[in-house]
Amino acid sequence: QKEVEQDPGPLSVPEGAIVSLNCTYSNSAFQYFMWYRQYSRKGPELLMYTYSSGNKEDGRFTAQVDKSSKYISLFIRDSQPSDSATYLCAMRNPDNAGNMLTFGGGTRLMVKP
Amino acid sequence: DAGVIQSPRHEVTEMGQEVTLRCKPISGHDYLFWYRQTMMRGLELLIYFNNNVPIDDSGMPEDRFSAKMPNASFSTLKIQPSEPRDSAVYFCASSLASGRPQYFGPGTRLLVL
Repeated sequence: QKEVEQDPGPLSVPEGAIVSLNCTYSNSAFQYFMWYRQYSRKGPELLMYTYSSGNKEDGRFTAQVDKSSKYISLFIRDSQPSDSATYLCAMRNPDNAGNMLTFGGGTRLMVKP
Repeated sequence: DAGVIQSPRHEVTEMGQEVTLRCKPISGHDYLFWYRQTMMRGLELLIYFNNNVPIDDSGMPEDRFSAKMPNASFSTLKIQPSEPRDSAVYFCASSLASGRPQYFGPGTRLLVL
């Protein structure tokens, strides 16, 4: 079993829908959580970064962390065709020296006009 | 800031040839990471440096792979000799400090024939 699990999709939604992307993890030591967006043939781009449990909002994006359930989510409101990309969750165990991240496999999202 | 810079963006070579990938991290970032991304295996960490010193190279697949960071603004990943199974997208990323998120470059798309 992978340390971080993410449904690969593809997830197809109509424009304007609320999108929910999720990751589960097995290592309770993970403390730092990130979401990256990767467009086709581009590098991953940092979207959200959070440390604590709860919600963090940035425009149409909300990151949610539930450490008790070992579950993180990214919500996209009023989704746009330009949101079509692969979304990768990533997390870090501060007990490990260095700054290595553990990535999920990514969820491919398609927002149709 | 220009972000992480990688070159070349695309590389096509024949099996057995030497390949050198280059990376310039974001100025002031202490950590530099080399990743490989394939459809089958997702993002894999190959090696990372802290203050120009290699810290963990356990992800380097074989002795054919080597990486150097001669100074804070430049790193190379070399494959010698290259093989078709090395075909992938190679990303370089940097981060400011331990616990901070990583920022990715645009990647080098490598095809070994």
